[in-house]
Amino acid sequence: ETGVTQTPRHLVMGMTNKKSLKCEQHLGHNAMYWYKQSAKKPLELMFVYNFKEQTENNSVPSRFSPECPNSSHLFLHLHTLQPEDSALYLCASSQGGSRLDNEQFFGPGTRLTVL
Amino acid sequence: DQQVKQNSPSLSVQEGRISILNCDYTNSMFDYFLWYKKYPAEGPTFLISISSIKDKNEDGRFTVFLNKSAKHLSLHIVPSQPGDSAVYFCAASSPSGTYKYIFGTGTRLKVLA
Repeated sequence: ETGVTQTPRHLVMGMTNKKSLKCEQHLGHNAMYWYKQSAKKPLELMFVYNFKEQTENNSVPSRFSPECPNSSHLFLHLHTLQPEDSALYLCASSQGGSRLDNEQFFGPGTRLTVL
Repeated sequence: DQQVKQNSPSLSVQEGRISILNCDYTNSMFDYFLWYKKYPAEGPTFLISISSIKDKNEDGRFTVFLNKSAKHLSLHIVPSQPGDSAVYFCAASSPSGTYKYIFGTGTRLKVLA
């Protein structure tokens, strides 16, 4: 595997379900990100982890719970979501450190549908 | 309030001609700008970037121009190729948001053969 991978690619869940999205990066990066992309809206940054420490939580509801066990893996745990949470969830990683080296590499995303 | 705006949701260009994609921003603290390209069913991929100390950066067929006084940047693709058909996002960051990029809504480019 190369780059940034995400599983599953598609997920349909009910509002009472609990599910998790997984992201893995094979680039040796130190920073990882979760973004949400809704139709006709900009990519919205949700969470940032730098060296496994959460450095950004962009006012995300608590029904989204991130976990970063190591620099290569990032999870997004989902619980009692709402239909308006249906979106494309993108994971990204970057080198970390100097800003100008901070090009972000994205995974293919998980298309989430909440019924 | 959207800090990064791409006012054209779509653009069609003939193959071989120039494609110009525009992006406006409101935050004068932004000092680093990027363009990403996204194909369907794939994540965005980095295309080109520019620091606010420059007004132009070129990489092959892709050139980004930055006009700080107008808070405007543009991506020029010349010559355009059918494989360039994708959604293009501009993004910006500021010194206070080290890992935080603010993205625009994207422009869908269609290059006609």
